[in-house]
Amino acid sequence: RKEVEQDPGPFNVPEGATVAFNCTYSNSASQSFFWYRQDCRKEPKLLMSVYSSGNEDGRFTAQLNRASQYISLLIRDSKLSDSATYLCVVRDTGRRALTFGSGTRLQVQP
Amino acid sequence: NAGVTQTPKFQVLKTGQSMTLQCAQDMNHNSMYWYRQDPGMGLRLIYYSASEGTTDKGEVPNGYNVSRLNKREFSLRLESAAPSQTSVYFCASSLSPGQGIFGQGTRLTVV
Repeated sequence: RKEVEQDPGPFNVPEGATVAFNCTYSNSASQSFFWYRQDCRKEPKLLMSVYSSGNEDGRFTAQLNRASQYISLLIRDSKLSDSATYLCVVRDTGRRALTFGSGTRLQVQP
Repeated sequence: NAGVTQTPKFQVLKTGQSMTLQCAQDMNHNSMYWYRQDPGMGLRLIYYSASEGTTDKGEVPNGYNVSRLNKREFSLRLESAAPSQTSVYFCASSLSPGQGIFGQGTRLTVV
């Protein structure tokens, strides 16, 4: 079983739509959670951290459910520029490095 | 511009050849990392360095060596390249765990 699992997609949505991605992680001791964004043939970039209480950054909302060990990302009012792969990322207690999911691809269509 | 610089951006090697991937950061970060990214596999950690002079194995270290000679630079060496090492390699650095800044990647093909 992968440590971090994501639906690979692709999610094809029209502009203006709301889309949600989920991610599950296997290690209950995981400590920190993030969403990264990766454009085609580019490097990953940090989109936002995920906090237990949930957090919002403009059109993006991230939530964490420790009991069920899943993380979600909600994108409201999708833009063409949101088209990318979204990587769910976890850091386990005592480890410095990150564990990446395989990513969920989003394609926003006009 | 401040950030992480990787060289080269593209490389084709023959099986058995060796090469070193270079990575440098100018953000005064202590921690540096090497990942590889393969289709459907996500990024997997090869090696990381928590500080100058220290290195630790990650998830997939076999076939690779690293050097952290100073705070800025962290190199990855393939001693005898194999087709299974065809991948995109990313170097990253971070001040705090999780806040990784990635280089633009090196696309390596081993034929």
